[in-house]
Amino acid sequence: EVQLVQSGAEVKKPGESLRISCKGSGYSFTSYWISWVRQMPGKGLEWMGRIDPSDSYTNYSPSFQGHVTISADKSISTAYLQWSSLKASDTAMYYCARSTVTTEGYYFDYWGQGTLVTVSS
Amino acid sequence: SSELTQDPAVSVALGQTVRITCQGDSLRSYYASWYQQKPGQAPVLVIYGKNNRPSGIPDRFSGSSSGNTASLTITGAQAEDEADYYCNSRYVFGTGTKVTVL
Repeated sequence: EVQLVQSGAEVKKPGESLRISCKGSGYSFTSYWISWVRQMPGKGLEWMGRIDPSDSYTNYSPSFQGHVTISADKSISTAYLQWSSLKASDTAMYYCARSTVTTEGYYFDYWGQGTLVTVSS
Repeated sequence: SSELTQDPAVSVALGQTVRITCQGDSLRSYYASWYQQKPGQAPVLVIYGKNNRPSGIPDRFSGSSSGNTASLTITGAQAEDEADYYCNSRYVFGTGTKVTVL
């Protein structure tokens, strides 16, 4: 069974750093990209970026480039989303999702349960 | 433009048919995928590609596309279909549609 299990909820202060994780199991972790998706309170889904766990190559949405860092450790089948200096506006639910590309297009076939990040002074 | 536009909300009577649309230039060249999100839950893939359903998705869900518009149709809507629905094309998400089943 394919599973993506994310780390638990976080409460941080503005200016603090944070790394959240997404551990894949039940499939070959290096065979699929992992994407991160943000959902701010009461708002829609926003694609942030993706990583190829086989070589750690990354792509970022222009909206998030330079604000977050996506990384992966293939030895433990885990992808990460990291902030060096959080802002209150980073308060959101963050999802990881397995990205698949086929002749039928791009899609996210498995999702993590989400990690709620709250940034407040 | 890479934006994908959806109607904010639609309603459907129980057992009737509802179509949710997604408009954007990228849809002229790339398939859309569709995601269902219920309150407090992670999104779930319901349609991908030309018209493919992942295992476990009821066959009342179907997808189609024409020009710059992709559509998700629920034929015989059930109470459990009440949710937010998002399209996605080349990693850009649509604005989302809230579906209410009356």
